[in-house]
Amino acid sequence: NAGVMQNPRHLVRRRGQEARLRCSPMKGHSHVYWYRQLPEEGLKFMVYLQKENIIDESGMPKERFSAEFPKEGPSILRIQQVVRGDSAAYFCASSLAGGGEIQYFGPGTRLTVL
Amino acid sequence: AQKVTQAQTEISVVEKEDVTLDCVYETRDTTYYLFWYKQPPSGELVFLIRRNSFDEQNEISGRYSWNFQKSTSSFNFTITASQVVDSAVYFCALERPGDYKLSFGAGTTVTVRA
Repeated sequence: NAGVMQNPRHLVRRRGQEARLRCSPMKGHSHVYWYRQLPEEGLKFMVYLQKENIIDESGMPKERFSAEFPKEGPSILRIQQVVRGDSAAYFCASSLAGGGEIQYFGPGTRLTVL
Repeated sequence: AQKVTQAQTEISVVEKEDVTLDCVYETRDTTYYLFWYKQPPSGELVFLIRRNSFDEQNEISGRYSWNFQKSTSSFNFTITASQVVDSAVYFCALERPGDYKLSFGAGTTVTVRA
């Protein structure tokens, strides 16, 4: 039973480029969450999505960041015009339902902005 | 507002010693969920336990045990007879029903020396 898949595992971008991070939830899971772990900091919630809907994006920076979870295919976290401060580990999690369900995490994508 | 505090930044023990990780939380809700996750050096996040606020029974799973005390708003985690493979960062997290997002503590780095 495959777990949460994220790719790429490592991503290097130059300032001003775009970063696309992909997340395939566990089989049967329709709830996806994105978290960011900045260096020397804990994990911070960014966005919560269900298929084709953004439920809560209260943790997402207002500019340059967007997320989607289409009917078909993986969830995508997109960062436009990356800056050095975007360098972090980005984790995706999925759950069977919302509200207290266990969130299972993927291995993360380590983004480095040069 | 809810908050999770893991006051211990780092703990270093010798193999076979017991180690207890503290987690103190703040919430005004009567219903909530508490979690522990492990992040080994490889970087992924591994789910360890979920506890809802109405279940104060302590739990034991192999060498791991958890002590939940609502009176002191604590959910502490003990590793008995630690092993080198227990070396990791351990995160405590809180979720309000209907909120969906996990609020993480800053994490405690455990180093087990052979």
